[in-house]
Order: sequence, then C-alpha cells, then structure tokens
Amino acid sequence: AQTVTQSQPEMSVQEAETVTLSCTYDTSENNYYLFWYKQPPSRQMILVIRQEAYKQQNATENRFSVNFQKAAKSFSLKISDSQLGDTAMYFCAPGGSNYKLTFGKGTLLTVNP
Amino acid sequence: GAGVSQSPRYKVAKRGQDVALRCDPISGHVSLFWYQQALGQGPEFLTYFQNEAQLDKSGLPSDRFFAERPEGSVSTLKIQRTQQEDSAVYLCASSGGYTEQFFGPGTRLTVL
Repeated sequence: AQTVTQSQPEMSVQEAETVTLSCTYDTSENNYYLFWYKQPPSRQMILVIRQEAYKQQNATENRFSVNFQKAAKSFSLKISDSQLGDTAMYFCAPGGSNYKLTFGKGTLLTVNP
Repeated sequence: GAGVSQSPRYKVAKRGQDVALRCDPISGHVSLFWYQQALGQGPEFLTYFQNEAQLDKSGLPSDRFFAERPEGSVSTLKIQRTQQEDSAVYLCASSGGYTEQFFGPGTRLTVL
C-alpha cells in the first residue's frame, strides 16, 4: 500500500519567482515511479515530471525539477520562473509495480502577476 | 483521436438511477484505469484493465460499481442505483506501458 502527504494545501508565488511544493510518501515497493501531475482549473490532468526511483539523478523538465530523497521518501517539485499558466492544482503520485497511482490531496498553486 | 476522451462530460442522475460512463483510450494503449475524484480531493483508484482483463478492482467502493472493457479498447464504468455519495468526477486514464498515465477530461456526475 502507498500513502502520500502533501502538507501545503495552498501556495502562492509571484510571477517569475521560484516555488517548491513538498511531498512525502510511503511505499512497500522496491521499484516504483514518482509523478507530479498538474490539474488546471476545469481542465484535465497532465503530467509535469516523472522520476524513476532507481535513478539517483533528479529529473528535470525545462522549468520544473524535483528533489528526490529516496531514504527520506521525499519528492518535492521546484518550479522556476513561475508563469501565470502554472496556476493549477498539483498532485504528487507514486506508482508501483501494479501500475496504479496513489494521489496526494494536492497543493493549489496560484501564480500572481 | 490524439488523447483520451470521455463521455458524457456531465451527467445528472436522480438517486436510484443507473448510469454508464464511457472512456476511449489512446489508440494502442494496453492499460486503462478509472479513478474517482471527489470535490477538493485527489483522484482515488477504482479499477485497472490490461487489454480486456480486469486485473485490479480493489478500489470499487461497492458492488453497485461495475467496469468492463470487452474488446480491450473502449471501457465503460457503470454505477447502479446511484447514491448522493457517488457524486464526483470520474477520470479515465490510459498508458502504453510502465510509464505515465494520460488522463481524459473526466465525467462530472451529480446525483440529486
């Protein structure tokens, strides 16, 4: 079984600044993936970034990067140069060998002009 | 189509009615998932198909919920005798392997 904790229900950031969203998880799996998904208001869920747990190198995708601490079971998302279009609900989700995702409660990020 | 599609996008049902929600996954995707997302919450897993085989239905909340994918492509989630607590957004996702899941826009079900 997997559990996910996103301790920041809401966050805000000024446009062009950097923000970090936190996530901790628990899993009994040895091989798993970790995902951050973004759900804009009234729009569908899209993948932001993916991390393979067996890789030590942190994943980076343009302005998005993660800080993956496997021993601490921590998987935070850093958004650099925040843009208005980054306003959304962000979900952390580990996925195990059974493929299904376990989502946290989400962090609502608002980017202010 | 290029993405996952779901229909209807919105469904209003009277308590006790049966509903059927459809998901068209990305062509060629073997895996298909259904999730339930209550207002203000993260999605919760309902069931998983690999081709036409339902490999995991551990998340279905009651025997009123039934899902099928008879030909390994389109899937239908059926809810019998709907209750108010069934009101939620139902998300379908498909995957081509041990990678990310691609989500559809969801069906918002409101039970009156």
